[in-house]
Amino acid sequence: NAGVTQTPKFRILKIGQSMTLQCTQDMNHNYMYWYRQDPGMGLKLIYYSVGAGITDKGEVPNGYNVSRSTTEDFPLRLELAAPSQTSVYFCASQWPSGSGDTQYFGPGTRLTVL
Amino acid sequence: DAKTTQPPSMDCAEGRAANLPCNHSTISGNEYVYWYRQIHSQGPQYIIHGLKNNETNEMASLIITEDRKSSTLILPHATLRDTAVYYCIVRIPWVDGGADGLTFGKGTHLIIQP
Repeated sequence: NAGVTQTPKFRILKIGQSMTLQCTQDMNHNYMYWYRQDPGMGLKLIYYSVGAGITDKGEVPNGYNVSRSTTEDFPLRLELAAPSQTSVYFCASQWPSGSGDTQYFGPGTRLTVL
Repeated sequence: DAKTTQPPSMDCAEGRAANLPCNHSTISGNEYVYWYRQIHSQGPQYIIHGLKNNETNEMASLIITEDRKSSTLILPHATLRDTAVYYCIVRIPWVDGGADGLTFGKGTHLIIQP
């Protein structure tokens, strides 16, 4: 299994541009998550999904959109990039199984907005 | 989810046991203790979790005090590759009807010295 893969690894955007961060998992996990991590800080939840067609907001959803048309893919959309969205973005997936619901993370996308 | 308190940084000599403390004095009866780590520039990695009994796996041991107000993650024979930020997270695992993300604090930066 490749696990959780993310593309691109790095991206520089100009203010006002838009882009989609891709996330794919091959573990058939129902739950998927998007986090952002600012320098020196812990991760903050942006959006999550409990299955295809179902998404919900996390702690910091403003400025982002998501969709979940398949179990495998969970893209994150930035419509009007702002410097405050400069961060490292991590996607994660999880198979809900009670106490053992551990999350598996991708390698991250480093985004800079200038 | 209960809040956790961890020291910001710790040093440990290579080959020795690294003991990372975590205080979670407001933990509730159905909350588990999870440990994740994040090696520089990578996505977080699950290490271990537990409810009240001590747990051990191939990576580490988790010791939870009897009153469950604190815990210690033990890396028995630390190597240079264990240098990372370690996050202690207390949460109610998903059971039914929904999911939420992990709440990451700033963690403990463990530095393994050669």
